[in-house]
Amino acid sequence: QVQLKESGPGLVQPSQTLSLTCTVSGFSLTSYNVHWVRQPPGKGLEWMGRMRYNGDTSYNSALKSRLSISRDTSKNQVFLKMNSLQTDDTGTYYCTRDRKGYFDFWGPGTMVTVSS
Amino acid sequence: DIQMTQSPPSLSASLGETVSIECRASEDIYSNLAWYQQKSGKSPQLLIYYASSLQDGVPSRFSGSGSGTQYSLKISGMQPEDEGVYYCLQGSKYPLTFGSGTKLEIK
Repeated sequence: QVQLKESGPGLVQPSQTLSLTCTVSGFSLTSYNVHWVRQPPGKGLEWMGRMRYNGDTSYNSALKSRLSISRDTSKNQVFLKMNSLQTDDTGTYYCTRDRKGYFDFWGPGTMVTVSS
Repeated sequence: DIQMTQSPPSLSASLGETVSIECRASEDIYSNLAWYQQKSGKSPQLLIYYASSLQDGVPSRFSGSGSGTQYSLKISGMQPEDEGVYYCLQGSKYPLTFGSGTKLEIK
């Protein structure tokens, strides 16, 4: 069955770099796009960027200068790296599968706190 | 960017009541609209895609409609398990954008 699971450090210091991994199963990264979405505590959802099935990437322009998405298809993993973290980057980070314009499966999310 | 204006921000409904949530796009999104339910501490769950297609396993009391810039989600007969926050998502143009959410509670 289709599954996605995010993993990461939990706590990141201000100005440091966040590195997250999305490990997928039940589908191929060479057939589906995978996106990252984040949610500050008590707030709404924000699209961050995507890894296309062919390896191309797209980013939210508000984050583009700080964000990088990559993958390792042999390990079924998609990676997110975002630098210069600030306190307002605190939140839950999700990876999700794209079904041509909507997201059908989501990971459980990983909480990231930016604090010294 | 396409702005998604979602209303109302919150809603309280009695058991069995029919409720509606609206999303208005700042431009035509050609029915590329999905609805999600999010319960506290959980990831969003897909309810409706392409404006009116019911996701497998979602109860038939959920329905979606609309076209162009105006879309709505209807719950026909509120159930206790329907409490949560509902979001719309436009998938027509990048960057993909979500509505601000509607918090639905039992009255």
